[in-house]
Amino acid sequence: DTAVSQTPKYLVTQMGNDKSIKCEQNLGHDTMYWYKQDSKKFLKIMFSYNNKELIINETVPNRFSPKSPDKAHLNLHINSLELGDSAVYFCASSNYGGLAGEQFFGPGTRLTVL
Amino acid sequence: DAKTTQPTSMDCAEGRAANLPCNHSTISGNEYVYWYRQIHSQGPQYIIHGLKNNETNEMASLIITEDRKSSTLILPHATLRDTAVYYCIVRGQTGANNLFFGTGTRLTVIP
Repeated sequence: DTAVSQTPKYLVTQMGNDKSIKCEQNLGHDTMYWYKQDSKKFLKIMFSYNNKELIINETVPNRFSPKSPDKAHLNLHINSLELGDSAVYFCASSNYGGLAGEQFFGPGTRLTVL
Repeated sequence: DAKTTQPTSMDCAEGRAANLPCNHSTISGNEYVYWYRQIHSQGPQYIIHGLKNNETNEMASLIITEDRKSSTLILPHATLRDTAVYYCIVRGQTGANNLFFGTGTRLTVIP
């Protein structure tokens, strides 16, 4: 079974549209993350949720709104998509205490904004 | 979190040991050294972490200098599937702090 899954794997859309990316983990972790990897391959944290509560928001435009319906899911909704939003988005999970540095990543969602 | 410095790229012959260095001279006493890798088009993968002592698992060994200012990740018998970007990250152990990924080292295993 896949530990951290994301859907869709690829997403192509027009500027101005609103889209969502879903993430689910079956590892029993209580903390989930969204990372963005741009065209230059820099991987940066966007959000972190612990037990459905937002704990990190790294200067991300408010067009990006994460939603965590439960500990196993963290979805990312993006409003009014812009060209610069094109990137690969990775979801990850870990435990808050203990080995919080050991994060498990999903396969990524490649978003292309035209 | 402490900043890390890694070489941009390295080559290694298949079957030989790959030694990937990392400098972290500003590491503080409670910060761990983590290594991740990212194989092309995949999500990052945790490899190993350590505090002071050398560590070994089924994937790799981690050698940390006594002053903790640098470390080396060792892949004992590199295979073509080990070709990836390897990231050295320094951070505290607990909490939900994000991982700061630098530019990493692009390791190419050559047949």
